[in-house]
Amino acid sequence: QQQVKQSPQSLIVQKGGISIINCAYENTAFDYFPWYQQFPGKGPALLIAIRPDVSEKKEGRFTISFNKSAKQFSLHIMDSQPGDSATYFCAAIGTAGKSTFGDGTTLTVKP
Amino acid sequence: DSGVTQTPKHLITATGQRVTLRCSPRSGDLSVYWYQQSLDQGLQFLIQYYNGEERAKGNILERFSAQQFPDLHSELNLSSLELGDSALYFCASSVRDRGHGADTQYFGPGTRLTVL
Repeated sequence: QQQVKQSPQSLIVQKGGISIINCAYENTAFDYFPWYQQFPGKGPALLIAIRPDVSEKKEGRFTISFNKSAKQFSLHIMDSQPGDSATYFCAAIGTAGKSTFGDGTTLTVKP
Repeated sequence: DSGVTQTPKHLITATGQRVTLRCSPRSGDLSVYWYQQSLDQGLQFLIQYYNGEERAKGNILERFSAQQFPDLHSELNLSSLELGDSALYFCASSVRDRGHGADTQYFGPGTRLTVL
């Protein structure tokens, strides 16, 4: 059973626009929520992460918004650039160490 | 470059065979994680080792096994291979054990396994 649902599956944004990717989780035992960026032929790389006691975290153009009561979190990419074109994965990690990933969102930023 | 190395980069084998994938974590990292990434299943967590001990288990098949050696490198063994095992297999490493708090997992470049 999938415990982390990610949407949309693919996203096309114009350069300079805002990219928004959403994730929803079911298991309340998760306590760490990272986002990974993956370029073709490469392994995923940690982009930004948040703990459930924080509602928002910002690092440069990347922001995670976290809604604990709704069990949802989202990634916002401000001023999206063609170099941001990649696949983005949300993940939820439980205290027992298990990691559950969303299915990924393929982002294309058009110049 | 994440500092995590994986060998081989590509592996082509036949159904029913057994293969071993190797991972060397970043210097100083004690935890190693294995993931499977296939087109229809996304990124699936398989197993985690910390300093030689198994710490967490995900959706790892009984035909698969892993271990972490005293020098901290890890091997993932896949046996009785089936067509559906064709996937990218990633190793990641981190400094701490998950039980001591979340920390960054650094992913290797992956091994692409093709089962014919």
